[in-house]
Amino acid sequence: SYELTQPPSVSVSPGQTASITCSGEKLGEKYVCWYQQKPGQSPVLVIHQDNQRPSGIPERFSGSNSGNTATLTISGTQAMDEADYYCQAWDSSTYVFGTGTEVTVL
Amino acid sequence: QVQLVQSGAEVKKPGASVKVSCKASGYTYTTYGISWVRQAPGQGLEWLGWISTDNGNTDYPQKFQGRVTMTTDTSTATTYMELRNLKSDDTAVYYCAREHTSLFDYWGQGTLVTVSS
Repeated sequence: SYELTQPPSVSVSPGQTASITCSGEKLGEKYVCWYQQKPGQSPVLVIHQDNQRPSGIPERFSGSNSGNTATLTISGTQAMDEADYYCQAWDSSTYVFGTGTEVTVL
Repeated sequence: QVQLVQSGAEVKKPGASVKVSCKASGYTYTTYGISWVRQAPGQGLEWLGWISTDNGNTDYPQKFQGRVTMTTDTSTATTYMELRNLKSDDTAVYYCAREHTSLFDYWGQGTLVTVSS
């Protein structure tokens, strides 16, 4: 079965840039979405179709996808961005989620 | 505004079944499918399957085939997910999510299902 691998944790200082990777075989040939989940809350879509931001998502969130790796970038990270982040793709009639990354804003 | 409101928490014994509901409002119900995703305590997200709210077609991953059934009631804009033969590792928060073009843009508030003897 298809797997998406993310680093367990990423730490970033306020105002700096956080980059979260998502690795999977030939991932660049698929569309990738990213979800933000804060403790006790439901996931929120922050990026779809590799690099598109839904309405209401701040411009500091951006995405890219090439080769075997997709990346979510948070520029000018704020304390409110502290959360778990999951990538997601579609493969062989199955939705697959990444292993998740905990972003800590120190 | 788009809302997905799920039924309340459930406690079940191993071997039992659970049925969780997800009532949609704020949009044309049959225009978007509904997927179900679960999250075990401290773990990641896992997709349980999808249902077309238009014609009732379903798609379940192999892992859950034979154990999960999703149904839809267009008269009440409600989707149901039933999981049978529950085991302790089915303990999780179960979410419904509106789906289109391979993304989940709105999520329900989640329903905690606890399986314990």
